[in-house]
Amino acid sequence: DQQVKQNSPSLSVQEGRISILNCDYTNSMFDYFLWYKKYPAEGPTFLISISSIKDKNEDGRFTVFLNKSAKHLSLHIVPSQPGDSAVYFCAARASGTSYGKLTFGQGTILTVHP
Amino acid sequence: GAGVSQTPSNKVTEKGKYVELRCDPISGHTALYWYRQSLGQGPEFLIYFQGTGAADDSGLPNDRFFAVRPEGSVSTLKIQRTERGDSAVYLCASSSLGGSDGYTFGSGTRLTVV
Repeated sequence: DQQVKQNSPSLSVQEGRISILNCDYTNSMFDYFLWYKKYPAEGPTFLISISSIKDKNEDGRFTVFLNKSAKHLSLHIVPSQPGDSAVYFCAARASGTSYGKLTFGQGTILTVHP
Repeated sequence: GAGVSQTPSNKVTEKGKYVELRCDPISGHTALYWYRQSLGQGPEFLIYFQGTGAADDSGLPNDRFFAVRPEGSVSTLKIQRTERGDSAVYLCASSSLGGSDGYTFGSGTRLTVV
């Protein structure tokens, strides 16, 4: 039972354009969402997060949007840079569960072409 | 240290053998987490320590898996009677007490059971 789904295994974007990575979830108890970036042979690195009481959070070139009614979140990267090429994971934490437990999606491979 | 350190970086073992994977968290981080990432999947939660105690071990797949953190710093993940299905990258992460926006992950240990 995949509670967090990233349905696009890969995304290819031209440098300078917008990258939009999508994530859907099924567990209505999820109340905190995070995005991680992962380069080969490295651990995931935290990018940005959003609480369920918000619908948008922005940090520099990265913006996360949350649509609770649709159980959908997205990560926008503007403008995209070749160094953004990596695997992106969305993750979620459920209220009422331990603070430490995150449920991850399968990941989306982003390639930004110069 | 500056980051989360995991040793060894690679481990090849024969089916049925016992293995230990080590994690050195960031100094002062009280929370420590173990995840497992299989090929093409996102990280999967195994166990979460707060100090010396396991606050949530609900992700450990069976009783062949055990983890300790006796002094509230270094943690060891122990796998008995390894099976080929245990092959994965084992990721460790740490965070400070009350740390919110994500953890700091190590680079992982790639375990291959042959």
